[in-house]
Amino acid sequence: TQLLEQSPQFLSIQEGENLTVYCNSSSVFSSLQWYRQEPGEGPVLLVTVVTGGEVKKLKRLTFQFGDARKDSSLHITAAQPGDTGLYLCAATGAGSYQLTFGKGTKLSVIP
Amino acid sequence: GAGVSQTPSNKVTEKGKYVELRCDPISGHTALYWYRQSLGQGPEFLIYFQGTGAADDSGLPNDRFFAVRPEGSVSTLKIQRTERGDSAVYLCASSYLAGEADTQYFGPGTRLTVL
Repeated sequence: TQLLEQSPQFLSIQEGENLTVYCNSSSVFSSLQWYRQEPGEGPVLLVTVVTGGEVKKLKRLTFQFGDARKDSSLHITAAQPGDTGLYLCAATGAGSYQLTFGKGTKLSVIP
Repeated sequence: GAGVSQTPSNKVTEKGKYVELRCDPISGHTALYWYRQSLGQGPEFLIYFQGTGAADDSGLPNDRFFAVRPEGSVSTLKIQRTERGDSAVYLCASSYLAGEADTQYFGPGTRLTVL
């Protein structure tokens, strides 16, 4: 079973600050995805990274996939209260359709 | 277009009772997945359907859990003799095809509480 470890588990910051959350594993993944989940809703896909060393930007969010495809990070610049939510990383193995999720990072951005 | 819908949104039942949770996937999506999310955890895979057949049910925790998708669209997750440990949010997702490159779109979930 592939295990994804996310850190930190909880993060509370002031509006305008920057933050980084991490997703690590001992396994190699063919792709890794980041989701955001709000209370009472299902996870919503933010980005998929597939190439080692890949960097993708989505407005104030920057996603990086490690060179060895075992880890990833999500960096948020100038966080806003609307960024509040649970950030989940998920991965599939080669040829797989099952998503394995980390436990998530619960982010609170205080106005 | 309409997303994945799940009913009911909340279900409270007593230990030992039978429950059914329904998922209506995005129209045209051939693959359907059920996940379970316990408090403070990420979603955990339960079962995957390709069309009408359960292609992988390796995530079902025991034989009290069963799911069907008789016409290749709507799916029902059935739990017999519910236990307090079954309390969780049950998420359904669908994708156009099934594969690591196919985005899974999640519904809002059904929050099951077993008293």
